[in-house]
Amino acid sequence: ETGVTQSPTHLIKTRGQQVTLRCSSQSGHNTVSWYQQALGQGPQFIFQYYREEENGRGNFPPRFSGLQFPNYSSELNVNALELDDSALYLCASSSSLMGDEQYFGPGTRLTVT
Amino acid sequence: RKEVEQDPGPFNVPEGATVAFNCTYSNSASQSFFWYRQDCRKEPKLLMSVYSSGNEDGRFTAQLNRASQYISLLIRDSKLSDSATYLCVVSSPSGTYKYIFGTGTRLKVLA
Repeated sequence: ETGVTQSPTHLIKTRGQQVTLRCSSQSGHNTVSWYQQALGQGPQFIFQYYREEENGRGNFPPRFSGLQFPNYSSELNVNALELDDSALYLCASSSSLMGDEQYFGPGTRLTVT
Repeated sequence: RKEVEQDPGPFNVPEGATVAFNCTYSNSASQSFFWYRQDCRKEPKLLMSVYSSGNEDGRFTAQLNRASQYISLLIRDSKLSDSATYLCVVSSPSGTYKYIFGTGTRLKVLA
């Protein structure tokens, strides 16, 4: 069974740029959630995708957007990067058929300069 | 008031000690509860789900008190390898299964 994978592992961008982060869900999982974790904080929910549709969103501006593909993999896009977007971005997958336990990928560490 | 609150610690305990963490949540309609463990600069890993009847897995015991809106985690016979941050997680009642995390409690087990 393949776990959750994310790419890239690290990324450095300049303020104002755009970034795309990728996530492959665990085999058999159809739901993907994205979280932002700033240093010293718990992860904050960005949004969730189920069957290629956004299924709930946290308190993040519209410049954070996402996609889910038919194979359940997902992308997180962030436009007009700000310094405060520097964080660890975590993707978690789960199965709507197996309760709500979520399994996290290793994350992408984004630094905005 | 934060939706999920934890004492950030750090809790410094000797090997073999018993240590307990509590976590309070504000939404009485919350559905599911979990403890995750996070090592430095790594992803959170599911430690255990917390059921109404309590849950035990080896040296770890989790309890849920819905009336007082808190969950707890007890670690017995602490090992050096238990050193990590323990995240309390509450699942939103909205049906999205949105996780709401506490800020985490740091545990350091000392030799």
